[in-house]
Order: sequence, then structure tokens, then C-alpha cells
Amino acid sequence: QSALTQPPSASGSPGQSVIIPCTGTSSDVGAYNYVSWYQQHPGKAPKLMIYEVSKRPSGVPDRFSGSKSGNTASLTVSGLQAEDEADYYCSSYAGRNTLVFGGGTKLTVL
Amino acid sequence: EVQLLESGGGLVQPGGSLRLSCAASGFNFSNHAMTWVRQAPGRGLEWVSTILSTGGTSNCADSVKGRFTISRDNSKNSLYLQMSSLGAEDTAVYYCAKGRLIVDQWGQGTLVTVSS
Repeated sequence: QSALTQPPSASGSPGQSVIIPCTGTSSDVGAYNYVSWYQQHPGKAPKLMIYEVSKRPSGVPDRFSGSKSGNTASLTVSGLQAEDEADYYCSSYAGRNTLVFGGGTKLTVL
Repeated sequence: EVQLLESGGGLVQPGGSLRLSCAASGFNFSNHAMTWVRQAPGRGLEWVSTILSTGGTSNCADSVKGRFTISRDNSKNSLYLQMSSLGAEDTAVYYCAKGRLIVDQWGQGTLVTVSS
């Protein structure tokens, strides 16, 4: 049950795009298309932004997109806005009713 | 509207026990797996435990195995986490969340502080 690997920080200017990678193993990210991404603002509960690698829940702007290649999933935030500044976590189903999360990436909008 | 309301957190001494509860509403609770996730102060999210819809199958993280037990009462739309042999490393906000493969709804969390 090792955590998925994310960079601790990422940044971009308003209007730019940023990509946040999430690296796992062939037992989690590489094995299942159940990768999710969560946004968390300070003091708030996480919010689901992407599920099943690339699907967006209702109400999530299409500026947020997800993809996966092999053992690495990625979240792309396009057209950065000030309100996108938050912590982002990836997660993956890892079999036998277990989940694994990434360490989180703090996104700063410059 | 889905609502998940955790309760039962608080200050507990090392070695002590605590039972967290989560009251669910706004969806058919008995049809969904449920999950506990925790977040230590200033740290990332950590999966704790998941229980399937009927309550017959569950799993938990190695870090809490043998100390924490997840359970549910579908007649009361409630999820529980019984925690024992608590240590400082268990200090965290504990979130109740809906789902197994995808955790799509979260409660606001309840803070558990383990300290003497």
C-alpha cells in the first residue's frame, strides 16, 4: 500500500495550462481505469474533479481533464483561474477493496 | 442532495479507543460501499477502510489493521469506525465517503486528536 507519487508543487499564470502527474505501479494505476482526482481547498473536504481516468462529474468545468499512460495518470488544468489554487490528490483503486492516494500537489496560480 | 455527517471525534489518550459515526442521507445508503479516509494535520489523504454495501466484506490499510474495525447499519443509514490502541500517528481528520472504486461524496470530517 505505497502512496502514488505526485510532485509536491506546481504553478502557472492565469490562462496558462498545468499538468500534474501521478505515478503508481502495475498493481494500481496501471491495472485499473479507476483513477480519480480531487481538489481540496484549505479547511475543506476534498471534491471529486475527475473519475475513471478522464470523466468529469456534473458541474466540474471542462478546463479540467485527465489521462493515463501505463502506470502514470495526469491531470491537466487549462485556462488557469485564481480559484483553481488548491491541493490536488490523485487516487487509484488497488484491488481487493483498497484505495491508494497520492501525496498531493499544491497548485499555485501566480 | 447527498449528505454525510461525521461525529464522535475528540481528544483521546494514547492507547485509548474511540468510535466514529457517519450519518448518511440523500441517497440509497444500502446500495453503496462506504469508505473512511483520514488526513493528518498538514499531510495528505490516506485511505483507512472500505466496507461493501451489505457489510459482509471489508478491508483496511495495513497501518490500522488489527486496531480499527469498520461496520455499518443499513437500517440506520449509518457507517462506523471503531478505533482502538490509538497512537499519536492516528491524529487526523477522519472523512466518511461514499464509494469504493470511486469516492464521489465526502463528509466534512471529524477531528481525532491522540494526546496525553
